[in-house]
Amino acid sequence: AAGVIQSPRHLIKEKRETATLKCYPIPRHDTVYWYQQGPGQDPQFLISFYEKMQSDKGSIPDRFSAQQFSDYHSELNMSSLELGDSALYFCASSSIGPRPGDTQYFGPGTRLTVL
Amino acid sequence: KQEVTQIPAALSVPEGENLVLNCSFTDSAIYNLQWFRQDPGKGLTSLLLIQSSQREQTSGRLNASLDKSSGRSTLYIAASQPGDSATYLCAVRDTGANSKLTFGKGITLSVRP
Repeated sequence: AAGVIQSPRHLIKEKRETATLKCYPIPRHDTVYWYQQGPGQDPQFLISFYEKMQSDKGSIPDRFSAQQFSDYHSELNMSSLELGDSALYFCASSSIGPRPGDTQYFGPGTRLTVL
Repeated sequence: KQEVTQIPAALSVPEGENLVLNCSFTDSAIYNLQWFRQDPGKGLTSLLLIQSSQREQTSGRLNASLDKSSGRSTLYIAASQPGDSATYLCAVRDTGANSKLTFGKGITLSVRP
């Protein structure tokens, strides 16, 4: 079965550079969620989109922005990168909107290292 | 604000032992609770999801229970194997318009051969 695809899987950037992470949800899933997991930490919710509109916002820095496109894929744009942005970034998707009953399926994550 | 706690942070058991992993949450007004497995540096694999109206879910050697009123869930692993070694995270989904998952910090399980 198709899963959530994230690219790239690994990314190395310098401080103050920008990065773009991409997420391709499971086919026919209409909702995408982004989470950030720092070293030794639990995943923290960043932002979510339903039908290409932002549906919820968590602890996402102002330096980050995201959007969901007409084909339902999503991109997380990160500017002015800081050392503390080094983390594993997960994308998850679900199939019946942001209603609480649905299961979120997680991608393999993008490991971002900021030097 | 929802807080999810998993204690202890690490657990080491001999192969074949039955074990229970605990999860507690502060706000009992949840829609569902999900248990995940995470191998080092890897992604999150969903193990079991329990809706707020359910008491337990089973999948193979895994059984998860939910006591919403007391804010607790347990993940029972029967006949543990070295391949079960991983970090197990509990996550809850709150009621209301907020659709995010709130995770615990996880329990790192080591099953000794």
